Amino acid sequence: EAGVAQSPRYKIIEKRQSVAFWCNPISGHATLYWYQQILGQGPKLLIQFQNNGVVDDSQLPKDRFSAERLKGVDSTLKIQPAKLEDSAVYLCASSFGQFSGNTIYFGEGSWLTVV
Amino acid sequence: AQKITQTQPGMFVQEKEAVTLDCTYDTSDQSYGLFWYKQPSSGEMIFLIYQGSYDEQNATEGRYSLNFQKARKSANLVISASQLGDSAMYFCAMREGNTGNQFYFGTGTSLTVIP
Repeated sequence: EAGVAQSPRYKIIEKRQSVAFWCNPISGHATLYWYQQILGQGPKLLIQFQNNGVVDDSQLPKDRFSAERLKGVDSTLKIQPAKLEDSAVYLCASSFGQFSGNTIYFGEGSWLTVV
Repeated sequence: AQKITQTQPGMFVQEKEAVTLDCTYDTSDQSYGLFWYKQPSSGEMIFLIYQGSYDEQNATEGRYSLNFQKARKSANLVISASQLGDSAMYFCAMREGNTGNQFYFGTGTSLTVIP
């Protein structure tokens, strides 16, 4: 079974530029998550989708971050304009559902460096 | 209050020895799930083991076992016969069943296996 796919794997941009990350979840997984992980810290949830609807985006900096999940499958996370503090690993994850026993599976992550 | 607490920022273990990574959690839900993830330097978050709050037996997966003490709200990860490849960050996480869908992560424990 294919895992969570993410691209690009690495990205270096200058501050104020824009960047987009793509994610394809595990087939059949209705719930998709984007996490931001700054070096040395645990992952922080940015946004959670259930199919193509947003369940939780309370920690998404909406003035610069946006995310969509068209057709309830693939998802894109965009940052515009980027700031130095956005340098982090962006982890996409998916789970079959939102119940307490549903394991979240992660992709390899997209490393962003803003210079 | 922190939902997940990992009090050991760094741990060292001799190769082939067993090691316990501590995790305590805070919830008022009766139904919840506890998870452990491994994150090597490559960045991918790898699912290791799951324990449901109603499970009476401690979960085991190969060399990984979860020491679940419900009354103490602890869910320690035990790695037996440590290998050099076990060197990584380890995150404890919880999903509550009744009061929300969010996945809560601890701050992680860095494990180094010494040859």
